[in-house]
Amino acid sequence: QVQLVESGGGVVQPGGSLRLSCAASGFTFSSYGMHWVRQAPGKGLEWVAFIRYDGSNKYYADSVKGRFTISRDNSKNTLYLQMNSLRAEDTAVYYCAKDLPAMIVGAFDIWGQGTMVTVSS
Amino acid sequence: EIVLTQSPATLSLSPGERATLSCRASQSVSSYLAWYQQKPGQAPRLLIYDASNRATGIPARFSGSGSGTDFTLTISSLEPEDFAVYYCQQRSNWPLSFGPGTKVDIK
Repeated sequence: QVQLVESGGGVVQPGGSLRLSCAASGFTFSSYGMHWVRQAPGKGLEWVAFIRYDGSNKYYADSVKGRFTISRDNSKNTLYLQMNSLRAEDTAVYYCAKDLPAMIVGAFDIWGQGTMVTVSS
Repeated sequence: EIVLTQSPATLSLSPGERATLSCRASQSVSSYLAWYQQKPGQAPRLLIYDASNRATGIPARFSGSGSGTDFTLTISSLEPEDFAVYYCQQRSNWPLSFGPGTKVDIK
């Protein structure tokens, strides 16, 4: 079945780094744009980053621009989020999410279960 | 950046009642608006995309309407499993953005 599984979350000190992974299965990963979306504890959803199906185009939320980098390895069916210079306000559950078919970019039909990132000293 | 506002913040209704949720955009998003449902401890689920298209497997009691800046999600008759938080989200402009959510709880 179509599935996204995130990993790599944990506790990190302010200023530290972390790399999240999202393993995809059950669909042709290389054909779809992918996103990271986060949710701080008890708060709403915040879109974080997008990467085009072939990795040729990327967009970021202003809150993470210059600190986070989205990437993908289509040979491994895996999406990544490299997070540097982490701040307390980056504490959240991070979800990876897949674009709809038919090149509909920016609506997410499949979500992972999320991985928790806690930034604290 | 496009800001989405949702109203009301909380909607208290009984099973079988009709729910009407609103989402307003700070500028036109054409029809590029989606609705998601989220239950506690779960990932969001796509209900509606491009204002009025139901996602795969979504029951017909969920419907979306609107264009430009004003959108509505209607649940025609609430089932027990529909009590949750609902978010709207625009894909018209980068950065993408979500509304703050409407919680539908049991009256």
